[in-house]
Amino acid sequence: QKEVEQDPGPLSVPEGAIVSLNCTYSNSAFQYFMWYRQYSRKGPELLMYTYSSGNKEDGRFTAQVDKSSKYISLFIRDSQPSDSATYLCAMGRNNFNKIYFGSGTKLNVKP
Amino acid sequence: EAGVAQSPRYKIIEKRQSVAFWCNPISGHATLYWYQQILGQGPKLLIQFQNNGVVDDSQLPKDRFSAERLKGVDSTLKIQPAKLEDSAVYLCASSLVQGAGEQYFGPGTRLTVT
Repeated sequence: QKEVEQDPGPLSVPEGAIVSLNCTYSNSAFQYFMWYRQYSRKGPELLMYTYSSGNKEDGRFTAQVDKSSKYISLFIRDSQPSDSATYLCAMGRNNFNKIYFGSGTKLNVKP
Repeated sequence: EAGVAQSPRYKIIEKRQSVAFWCNPISGHATLYWYQQILGQGPKLLIQFQNNGVVDDSQLPKDRFSAERLKGVDSTLKIQPAKLEDSAVYLCASSLVQGAGEQYFGPGTRLTVT
């Protein structure tokens, strides 16, 4: 079983839609949860960083962590064509350990 | 602030040849990471440096891969000899502190082994 599971998609939505991206994980020791965005032929860039359970909002992006279900989500409101990218979830056990990435979900927002 | 620099951006080699990649992290970042990203997968950590010391190289295929960060700044990753399954994007990242947290990635080097 992989440490982090993520649906590869692709996910295709119309512009303005609300997008929900999800990951599940198996290691209950994970405490740090991140979402990265990766455009084609670019390196990943950090979008959201959360610690433990709860919600975090940043503009059109909201990250949710449910540690009891080992489930994390990223919501994108009012999606734009510029949001078209691959979204990678990542998580770590503590601030001094390596992070584990999901395989990424490819999102396409159609104008 | 300049980002993480990597070169070359693309490399095509034949199997059994050798190849080297270079990375220059963000100034002041003590921690440097090399990841391998195979098409359709997330990045997999190969090696992590704290200054010029190795923190984690548990997933580095040491029979063919080597990495160094001699002066605690830039780093090179070498593959010798290359195999077909080494075709991937090699990403370098750096962070101010070690471990889970804000890692800043370079654009990557896309390696094709034929």
